[in-house]
Amino acid sequence: GIQVEQSPPDLILQEGANSTLRCNFSDSVNNLQWFHQNPWGQLINLFYIPSGTKQNGRLSATTVATERYSLLYISSSQTTDSGVYFCVARGSYIPTFGRGTSLIVHP
Amino acid sequence: NAGVTQTPKFQVLKTGQSMTLQCAQDMNHEYMSWYRQDPGMGLRLIHYSVGAGITDQGEVPNGYNVSRSTTEDFPLRLLSAAPSQTSVYFCASSIRQGTYEQYFGPGTRLTVT
Repeated sequence: GIQVEQSPPDLILQEGANSTLRCNFSDSVNNLQWFHQNPWGQLINLFYIPSGTKQNGRLSATTVATERYSLLYISSSQTTDSGVYFCVARGSYIPTFGRGTSLIVHP
Repeated sequence: NAGVTQTPKFQVLKTGQSMTLQCAQDMNHEYMSWYRQDPGMGLRLIHYSVGAGITDQGEVPNGYNVSRSTTEDFPLRLLSAAPSQTSVYFCASSIRQGTYEQYFGPGTRLTVT
């Protein structure tokens, strides 16, 4: 199956800072999503983005399918952004999650 | 819409006991799936279904059974619980398999002693 690698594994920010999270995948994909798992364990859909760029408030994402990576940008981070960010990619078989980026935003 | 619902939220089992985790969705989604999440890891697919009456194995199916008698419900059965099945279980659904967005339930935290 497809391999999904996320970087960095851990990130600590001061409130107001910007960050970029990366997701690399080993094969072509027809489905890619970004999720935020909050400290209570809930998985929140951020973006469905198999290709192109999308923006939602302070968050945006870009997937370059031909180069097999996706980026999640968080601008002006807030303490409520803390949690784990997962990307999940699906090629021709089953969806595969990366191990996530754990983000802590300090006030 | 309630979206994807799961019951129970928490469960403690003894080794060898069986139980069923419930999952339901009210979005008329054809595709439903079960994942488990272990500490420090992403979610791994256990079983999935592309429609009523059709199920298939994911990455880690051993020790689990599923059935899909209706579009709305997709229960996960633990046949004989083992400590290795201690995990958080998530159910997800999407309109269809493939190029469609998945929606996740709130999860069930299972401990097997």
